[in-house]
This record gives sequence, C-alpha cells and structure tokens, in this order.
Amino acid sequence: GQNIDQPTEMTATEGAIVQINCTYQTSGFNGLFWYQQHAGEAPTFLSYNVLDGLEEKGRFSSFLSRSKGYSYLLLKELQMKDSASYLCAPMDSNYQLIWGAGTKLIIKP
Amino acid sequence: DGGITQSPKYLFRKEGQNVTLSCEQNLNHDAMYWYRQDPGQGLRLIYYSQIVNDFQKGDIAEGYSVSREKKESFPLTVTSAQKNPTAFYLCASSSLGQGDTQPQHFGDGTRLSIL
Repeated sequence: GQNIDQPTEMTATEGAIVQINCTYQTSGFNGLFWYQQHAGEAPTFLSYNVLDGLEEKGRFSSFLSRSKGYSYLLLKELQMKDSASYLCAPMDSNYQLIWGAGTKLIIKP
Repeated sequence: DGGITQSPKYLFRKEGQNVTLSCEQNLNHDAMYWYRQDPGQGLRLIYYSQIVNDFQKGDIAEGYSVSREKKESFPLTVTSAQKNPTAFYLCASSSLGQGDTQPQHFGDGTRLSIL
C-alpha cells in the first residue's frame, strides 16, 4: 500500500533551525511536494523535488533521497509566522498526490 | 489577480439534503481536484478532472458527484448518501504542461457541517 510518515508535532524556537522528516512508500514515484498550511486555511506550495539532493529556496530547503524513500524540509531563521502544518505529498505513478497528515510546527519566542 | 474561488466559506446541511460547493478558477488550468480534509488526517481525493466534460473518481467518491461543463468551474455536490459530510473541503487546480508534475494551487476551502 501507499504510506506517508511524518511526525505529528514539533516545537522550535524563534530564530532557530528545524528539520521536518518524511518517509514514504508509493506505487511509482514522480516527485515529492511540500506544502505549508496555516490553521483553517488552504495549503500553499513550498517546494518540489524529483531528483536526489537539496533544493534551496530562501529560508526553506527540501531534500530528497529516492532510494531511501525519504525527504526533509529544512526551515532556517524561524519566524513566528512559520507556525503552521507542513504537508509532505509524494506523487505516485498515476500522477496522484498522496498526502501525509502533516507536521504541526509550533514556534516559541 | 488569478486564483481559485470557493464558495461559500461555511455551509450547513440538513439531514437528507444535497448541497453544492462552488469552485471557480481563472488560472487557465486544465486539471481540477476536490479534496476532503478531516482533523489529524491527510487530504483525501474525492474527484478530479483533467478536461472539460470528463472526470474520474478519487479514493472517496461515494456520496459525492461533480460536473465539469466549463474549464473554469468544477462544482461538488455532497449528496444525502454521504453519511458523514462534516469536513473541510478543498478545491485545487494545476496546469498539465511539462508532464503532470505541476504544483496544485488551492482555494480557501469550504467548511461543511451537519445541522
């Protein structure tokens, strides 16, 4: 079956760095997306990885290892507005996104 | 500004009633999607459409129906057959250029509750 595993909740301090891990098992693979979702709002696109390695985009970076079925989202210089849920979503062989339950990130001053 | 508009933001359904959730996009996207989100769970795909007048069932299509008469519009009807409709409903769209790996963009969602 298809499965996504992310920590349910993480806590970090303003100004620090946090890494949110995601492991996945899918039927085929066409890349992996990360989305941010603030409470009560819609998800917004953060990053897409299809090849192994690190993609950097400002304060956010995303890493992929296809052989290990593993990705992480790295957030630097944390700000209070980064408090949100982060959703890992690999794309399967049918180009359908398989959504994890998300990691709720709490930022403390 | 281009975007996806869902309405209403909040909706209440009585027992035995069908309700329709609206989704309109002006991004010129070919593909449109409906998801349901329940607390503590990932998004689950209800229906999707890649072209006008064609749509496919997702993982949890039972109790729901859709239409795609125009490229811009993809309304979702929650029928009385859906026994547990209380959830946050999200509509998304994406372009189909460069393969099917374009990101999906979401509307603001409709929160449906049972009266």
